[in-house]
Amino acid sequence: GQQVKQSSPSLTVQEGGISILNCDYENDMFDYFAWYKKYPDNSPTLLISVRSNVDKREDGRLTVFLNKSGKHFSLHITASQPEDTAVYLCAAGANQGGSAKLIFGEGTKLTVSS
Amino acid sequence: EAAVTQSPRSKVAVTGGKVTLSCHQTNNHDYMYWYRQDTGHGLRLIHYSYVADSTEKGDIPDGYKASRPSQENFSLILELASLSQTAVYFCASSEAGGYTGQLYFGEGSKLTVL
Repeated sequence: GQQVKQSSPSLTVQEGGISILNCDYENDMFDYFAWYKKYPDNSPTLLISVRSNVDKREDGRLTVFLNKSGKHFSLHITASQPEDTAVYLCAAGANQGGSAKLIFGEGTKLTVSS
Repeated sequence: EAAVTQSPRSKVAVTGGKVTLSCHQTNNHDYMYWYRQDTGHGLRLIHYSYVADSTEKGDIPDGYKASRPSQENFSLILELASLSQTAVYFCASSEAGGYTGQLYFGEGSKLTVL
């Protein structure tokens, strides 16, 4: 089954609003959580990441919230801008039996309308 | 700036033919990965490697082989290409520590199997 899941394939937000992107995971062993951004026909790039020992991390307009008991993490983008329009991929990772892997969600296409 | 280059960027192959996708990194990273991107599935890990001359299976290795002849190079081999392997393939590298390190992706290789 899908270990990392983004239930919303798309999201539209007005310019200046807050974009909230959600990600759920199944594996209790995950201890690293990240968000990648992907423009069409481009490669994904890392936006922000957190380890499981923190519940929140801020970086400019970006904040990651981690809810370990709920196996859920989210990305909040404040003051959303048209250039934030992209596909956002969440990812979670763990070192399991010597196998270190990063598992991605399906992606959420964010559209910021002006 | 991290650099991961893939070749070819685009390829059309016939069913049953052999396809080799190549990846070269100049980051001096130990870890390299091959992911495939399909609509609705995000990025799925095919094979990865943390040292030259050794490869590991990812989540969807069936139908694919991998080769890591040197730290810089990592190839994905489809011995008998099938229609279901039509996808965009991304190579990535990361520093030692694997899943907790930032992944640097190549530009992607679009494979169409007819």
